[in-house]
Parts: sequence; structure tokens; C-alpha cells
Amino acid sequence: DGGITQSPKYLFRKEGQNVTLSCEQNLNHDAMYWYRQDPGQGLRLIYYSQIVNDFQKGDIAEGYSVSREKKESFPLTVTSAQKNPTAFYLCASSPQGDNNYGYTFGSGTRLTVV
Amino acid sequence: GENVEQHPSTLSVQEGDSAVIKCTYSDSASNYFPWYKQELGKRPQLIIDIRSNVGEKKDQRIAVTLNKTAKHFSLHITETQPEDSAVYFCAVPPGGSARQLTFGSGTQLTVLP
Repeated sequence: DGGITQSPKYLFRKEGQNVTLSCEQNLNHDAMYWYRQDPGQGLRLIYYSQIVNDFQKGDIAEGYSVSREKKESFPLTVTSAQKNPTAFYLCASSPQGDNNYGYTFGSGTRLTVV
Repeated sequence: GENVEQHPSTLSVQEGDSAVIKCTYSDSASNYFPWYKQELGKRPQLIIDIRSNVGEKKDQRIAVTLNKTAKHFSLHITETQPEDSAVYFCAVPPGGSARQLTFGSGTQLTVLP
């Protein structure tokens, strides 16, 4: 999948459950990102990480948590505190360097609350 | 944070005509302006980008123009084809060394045969 893999492709969550979305990249990129996409809307930034063991909140971090223990991996946990989690979740990565902002996206995880 | 506005939200054109999508941004320190194309159910893919030291960049039927003074940039698609039908997003990073992109709300382009 172009060097960045998201799993699962589809995920169903019951009310009150925490679920974790996986994102793995083999591009040797330093930075990784999580975005949420709702139908007919743009991408909103949840969390991002510029380097291992460090991450920052994006615009809509409430109800989500992340970790960055390895350069290749940036999992996203959707907690029970996220009241409206049904959405399409996209992970992306990019290299560091002053002249390189290019994002590579994963193929996404579609999360549905049942 | 960065504020990005994208217009129009939907655009229908006849095959062979041109399409133009515009984005405005708020942070005058931003220096990189990409456009992404997302086909239905798929991941966004970078189609063209421009840096603040140039005013226009072209790649075959696609071009991007930048007006830093007015803080807006536009995507131009000429000789549109049915396979151009998709959602297009502009994006802008904040100024400085930060790398996270703020995306516009998207434009659904439909090319009518």
C-alpha cells in the first residue's frame, strides 16, 4: 500500500468500547499524522508526531489517544470519551527536511459505531 | 491556527472544458501549497504542489497559481476528462518549521460526458 499500511480496513465499535487503529510505515519517515474525514467534509487533524516518543494534539484530539514508541508505528486509540467516532480515519507520514512536506497517506480505516 | 477556505464545494463541467478551484489561507508565513485528489473510497494523493518562491507551476493538464500578497492559490485543470471526477483538497502548513497540513473542505468535481 505505497509504504504505509492501515488496519483494519473496516472496524465496528460498540458503545463504551475503546478501539485501536493501526498505522505502520516503511518509508523511513520521521513525521506521522492522524486525520479524521466525515462524509462530504475535509480532513481534520487529530494528532501528529514529528519524532519518536513525541506527539502533539491537533484540532480535534478530544476522545483520542496515540503513542509513538517506534519510528514505523503510530497507533490511534478511539476511546469511549469520543461521542461521535463514526468516520473515515486516515494516517499519513512525511519526511523531515526543509524542502519536503510531501504526505503519503494510508488507505484508511472506516470506523462505525454499532 | 491556520484557516483554509476552499471554493466551490461542488463543480460540474463538460468534458473538455476547464475547471478552477480556489483556496485562501490566513498565515502569511506559509510557504508550501499542495493539492490532493481523492477518488471515491480511496486515499488522497498529491497531484501538484507549489512553493512560495514561484507564482505558477504546470504539469501537463494541471497547473497551480499562487498569489502570496492576496494569500490565495488556485488549481486549474484544462481539457477535463471523466477520470478527473473526484474530490480535490488544498492544504497549507503553518509557517516556520511545523509540517502538519491544514486541509480545505474539498471540492467535488464532476466531469460530464
